[in-house]
Amino acid sequence: GIQVEQSPPDLILQEGANSTLRCNFSDSVNNLQWFHQNPWGQLINLFYIPSGTKQNGRLSATTVATERYSLLYISSSQTTDSGVYFCAVEHGNNRLAFGKGNQVVVIP
Amino acid sequence: DVKVTQSSRYLVKRTGEKVFLECVQDMDHENMFWYRQDPGLGLRLIYFSYDVKMKEKGDIPEGYSVSREKKERFSLILESASTNQTSMYLCASSLSQYYTGELFFGEGSRLTVL
Repeated sequence: GIQVEQSPPDLILQEGANSTLRCNFSDSVNNLQWFHQNPWGQLINLFYIPSGTKQNGRLSATTVATERYSLLYISSSQTTDSGVYFCAVEHGNNRLAFGKGNQVVVIP
Repeated sequence: DVKVTQSSRYLVKRTGEKVFLECVQDMDHENMFWYRQDPGLGLRLIYFSYDVKMKEKGDIPEGYSVSREKKERFSLILESASTNQTSMYLCASSLSQYYTGELFFGEGSRLTVL
């Protein structure tokens, strides 16, 4: 099946710092989504981004489908950005493959 | 905003008990999904449904069944719970039945089987 790899697996940031998370996938995909899981377990959809660039406040994402990767940018990080970021790709009807996640800790 | 509500945040059950996990969405979505999340294994699809009374097996359906009698409600059933089913269970929904689309998750149900 399709492989989804996220890097770095763990990241510690000082509040106010910027960071980039990466998602590589091994095959062509129909779409790609980024999620944030907060410390209480809730998964929030951040971006639905099969290609191109989108921005939402301090977060932005870019997917280059032809090169099989996506990047999530966090600017001016805040403690509320802590949690796990998941990348998921659709590779068949109604099937998403999830990466293992990027664990982010933002310290004040 | 889409709201996906799972009936229980935390459950503790005994081995052999029957367990029902309920999920309700309020946005008339066609697709509904059940995942389980375990440390080191990420999110894995158990079952999904693209329409009322329709269901498809995901990657790890063994030991589980599902029911979708109404569009807004999707239930996960553990007929005889076992300790290896201790996990976080996540329900999700999306708009179209033809592809996954933008996925919305509930808050999760953390099940412990003793």
